[in-house]
Amino acid sequence: EAQLVESGGGLVQPGGSLRLSCAASGFTFSDYIMSWVRQAPGKGLEWVSGSSGSGGNTYYADSVKGRFTISRDYSKNTLFLQMNSLRAEDTAVYYCAKGGTVTKLTLDLWGRGTLVTVSS
Amino acid sequence: EIVLTQSPATLSLSPGERATLSCRASQSVSSFLAWYQQKPGQAPRLLIYDASNRATGIPARFSGSGSGTDFTLTISSLEPEDFAVYYCQQRFIWPPLSFGGGTKVEMK
Repeated sequence: EAQLVESGGGLVQPGGSLRLSCAASGFTFSDYIMSWVRQAPGKGLEWVSGSSGSGGNTYYADSVKGRFTISRDYSKNTLFLQMNSLRAEDTAVYYCAKGGTVTKLTLDLWGRGTLVTVSS
Repeated sequence: EIVLTQSPATLSLSPGERATLSCRASQSVSSFLAWYQQKPGQAPRLLIYDASNRATGIPARFSGSGSGTDFTLTISSLEPEDFAVYYCQQRFIWPPLSFGGGTKVEMK
């Protein structure tokens, strides 16, 4: 069964850094676009970043460009999100999501999410 | 960036009633629109892709329609487990992938 499990969230001070991980299983990790999507408390969904299957192409929302970096470790089937210069407005649950087989940017599998809180 | 506007923000209905949710795009997204369901404390779940195709395991009471800028998600007869928040998402032009603000379907 395909599964995504996020980890790495926590409390961090403004200006600090955090690295999120997403362990993928049950599918061929390198075949799919992967994304990070976040949800601030009580708010809607916001796409944050995406990575092509090969990892050669990466994409970012304007709100995080230059501060966040998406990457993959194919030996561990793991997706990462390195978050630097964190701000209060980055506080959210961060979800890892897999793109579809044919509809590559439809998010057909989601993890349970990991909470990031940016506060002093 | 394509902006998706969902309406209404909240829909108050009873079990067995029909729910009609709307998603309007700021420019054409062809048929490249998906719908997701999210229950409290859970991750979103894909319901519909490419405007009208049900995802694996999604009951037939969920249907999607539309193209261009106007889309509809219909739940033909609400079950108790259908009370949730629903989001639309476009993949026609990215980055960024964009989501609508959501429609909450609550029990009347």
